[in-house]
Amino acid sequence: DAGVIQSPRHEVTEMGQEVTLRCKPISGHNSLFWYRQTMMRGLELLIYFNNNVPIDDSGMPEDRFSAKMPNASFSTLKIQPSEPRDSAVYFCASSLRLYNEQFFGPGTRLTVL
Amino acid sequence: GQQVMQIPQYQHVQEGEDFTTYCNSSTTLSNIQWYKQRPGGHPVFLIQLVKSGEVKKQKRLTFQFGEAKKNSSLHITATQTTDVGTYFCAGNNNDMRFGAGTRLTVKP
Repeated sequence: DAGVIQSPRHEVTEMGQEVTLRCKPISGHNSLFWYRQTMMRGLELLIYFNNNVPIDDSGMPEDRFSAKMPNASFSTLKIQPSEPRDSAVYFCASSLRLYNEQFFGPGTRLTVL
Repeated sequence: GQQVMQIPQYQHVQEGEDFTTYCNSSTTLSNIQWYKQRPGGHPVFLIQLVKSGEVKKQKRLTFQFGEAKKNSSLHITATQTTDVGTYFCAGNNNDMRFGAGTRLTVKP
């Protein structure tokens, strides 16, 4: 199994641009999580899905952030417009069932100039 | 809502010394998970504890779940340089929340 796949691995963009982060969970996993990690704020849960349905998006910072899961094998996290304070490592994780052990992807390091 | 507090934030030890990180929840947990993140890497699942008072061991690592299922600890005996990283707990009460993590550095 390839594990959780995220793309791109690195993204550098300018303030105001739209950024789309992509995630492919492990096949057969029913739950998917998006996290953001910074030195200042640590590991923050942004949103999670169960069976492709968003369960809790209370961690999404503001309306500039949106996430979708159109099918069981793909999810996106979009930031529009991006701001320098969005610079962070964004992790996607999946689990077989909600609240089972989570398998994290390698992360996307986002830099907004 | 549920809050998970983890202490200490940082711990620097000499190789061979022991290390412990503690996790406390404001609510009773269904289970608790522990993860390790190496520098530059991603969190990797270590273990899950479910039962009140449960103790599990993985080589030099000992994990405990409190009797009230509101606290947990991870103890590493005789640390090695390979133990370097950040250790996170994640508490579940129909709402999985990660602690802030404890960053462990080990001096050879």
